[in-house]
Amino acid sequence: DTAVSQTPKYLVTQMGNDKSIKCEQNLGHDTMYWYKQDSKKFLKIMFSYNNKELIINETVPNRFSPKSPDKAHLNLHINSLELGDSAVYFCASSQDYGVNTEAFFGQGTRLTVV
Amino acid sequence: AQTVTQSQPEMSVQEAETVTLSCTYDTSESDYYLFWYKQPPSRQMILVIRQEAYKQQNATENRFSVNFQKAAKSFSLKISDSQLGDAAMYFCAYRSRRGNFNKFYFGSGTKLNVKP
Repeated sequence: DTAVSQTPKYLVTQMGNDKSIKCEQNLGHDTMYWYKQDSKKFLKIMFSYNNKELIINETVPNRFSPKSPDKAHLNLHINSLELGDSAVYFCASSQDYGVNTEAFFGQGTRLTVV
Repeated sequence: AQTVTQSQPEMSVQEAETVTLSCTYDTSESDYYLFWYKQPPSRQMILVIRQEAYKQQNATENRFSVNFQKAAKSFSLKISDSQLGDAAMYFCAYRSRRGNFNKFYFGSGTKLNVKP
């Protein structure tokens, strides 16, 4: 009954590979996000989608390509992985209006590039 | 752009004592939301408390309360009767209520240690 679920939880891969992280929310939210948390725990937004439409793209290398097939899903595909891509990637969702305006987070995907 | 600043990278508190985590933010907006999130070692981000800027009353959730000073752009979190399970990273976050609300701005976090 998880609200925001992302898979996989851990991902270890070699440099140069291509990988994807999947995210699904069952909260009926209109907006979904990808955040990157670096080794110093800083959370930086990467992308924001509202009703499948890209709203925010925060100067992320074009090796990162998000895809939202419907408003409940937001996947992240990463091409030609580099050592510096190692981080924890969080998917999140939020509703635009109402009382509960916080972001609901998935459990994170720890990506390690070797 | 809005910025959120947490000036305390790490803090310690004795079990059962009270601790206050600081957060300041910079915005030209008058209508927004503020949040505190907890991230334990499991890395799951958990909402601790939320505050709507248009509400003057400080939010409280059991042992957690905030001191919201809108004019000073300050939003501190007070944890009373600290418990070992409170040990975690705490993040302050800002969200616009109008305009560019599809973005949460996070502070750099404060690591809270709880000593038995």
